[in-house]
Amino acid sequence: AQTVTQSQPEMSVQEAETVTLSCTYDTSESDYYLFWYKQPPSRQMILVIRQEAYKQQNATENRFSVNFQKAAKSFSLKISDSQLGDAAMYFCAYTWGGSEKLVFGKGTKLTVNP
Amino acid sequence: EAGVTQFPSHSVIEKGQTVTLRCDPISGHDNLYWYRRVMGKEIKFLLHFVKESKQDESGMPNNRFLAERTGGTYSTLKVQPAELEDSGVYFCASSQDFSRGGNEQYFGPGTRLTVT
Repeated sequence: AQTVTQSQPEMSVQEAETVTLSCTYDTSESDYYLFWYKQPPSRQMILVIRQEAYKQQNATENRFSVNFQKAAKSFSLKISDSQLGDAAMYFCAYTWGGSEKLVFGKGTKLTVNP
Repeated sequence: EAGVTQFPSHSVIEKGQTVTLRCDPISGHDNLYWYRRVMGKEIKFLLHFVKESKQDESGMPNNRFLAERTGGTYSTLKVQPAELEDSGVYFCASSQDFSRGGNEQYFGPGTRLTVT
């Protein structure tokens, strides 16, 4: 069964510091995609970053980067130079080739302290 | 460009009543998805439309849930009769072409359903 596990229900970080959110997944598929979505308080969920499993290079989007460890089935999100606007629920998600449905983790609530 | 919209934002109904949730996807998006998050649990997939056809409805919990997407535009999700365990936040998402896989899904703000 495909599952996504986020082991940190809550995390906090000081403004301008770096924080890493953990995510592991379980799959038998060879063609799959991994995502981090962000849901700010009372706002819509938006895509932060996307990784294709066949790509060895870690995805990066400005201050957001991932550490994709395929053998370990690990997909952590690093946020550098944290800003107050980064405070949100972060969801790790997965889908596989031939399907578009997302399998989500339970989420990590990130607090950014000024 | 307008994002995914959902109506209503909140709904409180009694057990046994009927509720209909609506989702308007981003214009031109053929793919439309419904998800649900029950408090304290993961967001769970319910179903996927491609235009007006149900591509995957493996996540629909039971036959009290009926989803439609007439004309391939907006979609409705009806719960009849509602039970207490149906409470949660119902999210709709849409995406563009299916072909390359792992397409970005654009989410609506969700409808918070409370069944009392």
